[in-house]
Order: sequence, then structure tokens, then C-alpha cells
Amino acid sequence: EIVLTQSPGTLSLSPGERATLSCRASQSVSNYLAWFQQKPGQPPRLLISDTSTRAPGIPDRFSGSGSGTDFTLTISRLEPEDFAVYYCQQYAGSPPVTFGQGTKVEIK
Amino acid sequence: EVQLVESGGGLVRPGGSLTLSCVASGFTFNNVWLSWVRQAPGKGLEWVGRISRKTDGGTTDYGAPVEGRFTISRDDAKTTVYLQMSSLQTEDTGVYYCTTGGHYYGDWGQGTLVTVSS
Repeated sequence: EIVLTQSPGTLSLSPGERATLSCRASQSVSNYLAWFQQKPGQPPRLLISDTSTRAPGIPDRFSGSGSGTDFTLTISRLEPEDFAVYYCQQYAGSPPVTFGQGTKVEIK
Repeated sequence: EVQLVESGGGLVRPGGSLTLSCVASGFTFNNVWLSWVRQAPGKGLEWVGRISRKTDGGTTDYGAPVEGRFTISRDDAKTTVYLQMSSLQTEDTGVYYCTTGGHYYGDWGQGTLVTVSS
């Protein structure tokens, strides 16, 4: 099973700042990586698939990059609604699909 | 508009059984793979399993923690996907989400809470 490790666990930033979230895979997943955002009491929302393809309706301040084992989600300028938990997910080893443990982006 | 509405959650004793349903609308149901993902209270996301569309064989795959205990099925005429759960354990407690997709998940229901407790 492919293990995904996200860092940092918590990111404390102010609105307008840039957020950089990392996801590392225990073995290569090629570009088969997705990112999700989850707010309290809500289901996750797909942000990005195939490493860098934004889902419909996702603002262009969200971008994804990487390949192989190292991936990054960047939020160029944090908006108040961006404070949430973010998960990466790989589907190269599907099945099984695996998720990272999450990074919480909180207001500083 | 895509809608996925889960139901069937509740309180169940360890060793018991429960069946969840997810009614879908707003897309061509029989053309889509479907998956279940769960989330324990205060924890991260865990893949439960998936079912392919009939044209891809209607095959199922499961995560190791639920293999042999959970069964996913679909009724394309009713645009419904099911998750039959048996031999439930306390570790199965959480919110269960129905999602579209077999690899990554574009649409999610609001989830249904399953609590396994004596």
C-alpha cells in the first residue's frame, strides 16, 4: 500500500499570504494525485486531479505541481474561505486508494 | 446538479449489520463508477471500496480493513448504490460518504453517521 505523508500538520498564515502544502508518497504515483479541501461539517471538495488539473469552479489561486513522489498544493493568496483541512490522495496504486493524514490551514 | 443522498446510518452493536444507501441524481448513473469513503470522528479520510459500471464488469474492490465484511452493490434502475456492512467493529464508527468516481472523487454526498457501540 502506498503511504502518503503530508507536511506540515498545521500551517498558520494570514489572509493574503501564500500557502505551500506538501505531500510525499512512499513510492512513485506518477501524476495520479488529487487534492481535496474539507471544512468542518462538510464533505471533502475536489480541488485538483492528475497533480495539476483544477476541478470545475476551483479558483486559479489553487495550483498543484510535482511528480513521482513529491507533490505540492499552492494557494497563491489566502482568502478567508480557504482556511480548512487539505488532503492529498493517490490513485496510482488503485486499489487501494490512499489519503494523506491532512494539513490544517489556520488563521494566524 | 449532481446530488448524492446517503441514508441508513445509525447506532449498531459490535458484531451487528447495517446497510447504507445512496440515491443519486443529476448525471448518467449507469455510466459512472461509485465509491464509498469514510471518516472516523476527528480523523482523516479512508477509502472503503468501489464498484465499476456494468460495462466495465460491475466489479468491486475493497480496502483491507473491510474486505470480507462489507459489500458494495448498485441498482442502476433506481440510481442507487449500497454498502452492506456486517461484523461491525467499533473501529467502523464514522461518517460514510458516497462519491462518484473509481479513482478520484468529484462529487460527494453529505454523509451518514454510523456508530458502532455497545
